[in-house]
Amino acid sequence: QSALTQPASVSGSPGQSITISCTGTSSDVGVYNYVSWYQQHPGKAPKLMIYDVSNRPSGVSNRFSGSKSGNTASLTISGLQAEDEADYYCISYTISSTWVFGGGTKLTVL
Amino acid sequence: QLQLQESGPGLVKPSETLSLTCTVSGASISTSSYFWVWIRQPPGKGLEWIGNIYYSGSTYYNPSLKSRVTISVDTSKNQFSLKLSSVTAADTAVYYCARRREGSSGLEYWGQGTLVTVSS
Repeated sequence: QSALTQPASVSGSPGQSITISCTGTSSDVGVYNYVSWYQQHPGKAPKLMIYDVSNRPSGVSNRFSGSKSGNTASLTISGLQAEDEADYYCISYTISSTWVFGGGTKLTVL
Repeated sequence: QLQLQESGPGLVKPSETLSLTCTVSGASISTSSYFWVWIRQPPGKGLEWIGNIYYSGSTYYNPSLKSRVTISVDTSKNQFSLKLSSVTAADTAVYYCARRREGSSGLEYWGQGTLVTVSS
């Protein structure tokens, strides 16, 4: 299975909105609504930000939202804040009953 | 509050078997409808899903690691374990354990991670 495709880096200024894409295939992202997103700060464990494409766990800011179109899922962060600077990863279920991560995206808040 | 804690040797020799344990506290590992997951992250690189075990004992592995991986559960100790055989330097990584609820894609709870270095 190949890793999902994410941009290596994105950036935005405080208050702006950014979107991170996660492109898979008709064998993973395109088939199931089982895509989740994680935020990882340096030296820390990943934190769940979005699950099942667009659901937010309790305690996660509503500035984070998710969506999916075809084989591509997206994470949007609105009202960008300094503490949003981190690495972000997507993961999807596959038709082989396995899971595959994206390569990760480094978000820089300018 | 559910907590997961990885433990095991921080240094493993090439060709040997890496063995890690994840101790679960705050909930029973044999509770129905949960998957117990292993994930790793080589230094400076991205996350890789290794595999998971269902509360019933069913396992699913990353195809690229399948021939070398075994995940098992010890309900008496409320732990689940990872064994990775024939390791090389490429297996050097921070290893995380996590939990996912059946019917959801979210890995809600994670351990803090443990660094395993493969070196002679």
